[in-house]
Amino acid sequence: NAGVMQNPRHLVRRRGQEARLRCSPMKGHSHVYWYRQLPEEGLKFMVYLQKENIIDESGMPKERFSAEFPKEGPSILRIQQVVRGDSAAYFCASSPGSGRETQYFGPGTRLLVL
Amino acid sequence: DQQVKQNSPSLSVQEGRISILNCDYTNSMFDYFLWYKKYPAEGPTFLISISSIKDKNEDGRFTVFLNKSAKHLSLHIVPSQPGDSAVYFCAATVAGNMLTFGGGTRLMVKP
Repeated sequence: NAGVMQNPRHLVRRRGQEARLRCSPMKGHSHVYWYRQLPEEGLKFMVYLQKENIIDESGMPKERFSAEFPKEGPSILRIQQVVRGDSAAYFCASSPGSGRETQYFGPGTRLLVL
Repeated sequence: DQQVKQNSPSLSVQEGRISILNCDYTNSMFDYFLWYKKYPAEGPTFLISISSIKDKNEDGRFTVFLNKSAKHLSLHIVPSQPGDSAVYFCAATVAGNMLTFGGGTRLMVKP
């Protein structure tokens, strides 16, 4: 049973470019969460999605960041016009439902903005 | 406002002894608590969880204790092994929504 998959594992972008991070949840999981870990900090919540719905985006920066979880295919976290401060590890987690359900994490995408 | 805090950034323990990692929270609405272990360049790995209606949960070498009145939880690892050396994060959630993480504690288990 494959775990949460994320790709790419490493992504290098120049300032002003776009970054697209993909997340495929565990089989049978319909809830996806994105977290960001800045250097020397803990993980911070960004957005919570179910298929075709954004449930909670309270942790997402208001500009340049967007997320989707389409009916078919992986969840996408998109960062437009990246800046150096976007350099971080981005983790995706999935759970089978809401409530007291454990979230399982993928290996992360490490974004470096030059 | 840090709702979940891990006040010890690091902990060093001898192999075979007990490791105790601590976590404090401020939000009384949290109803589910989890511990994750993280190695460098990997994602967090789930270890153990506890519901707010319980005060203890045990899984092999790992036991989590919850003291709701003190808003405190702890993770006990007995016996500690060198492979346990990692960063440990506690996390809390309200009704299964987003996880709020502590800053992590780096555990080093010496052979």
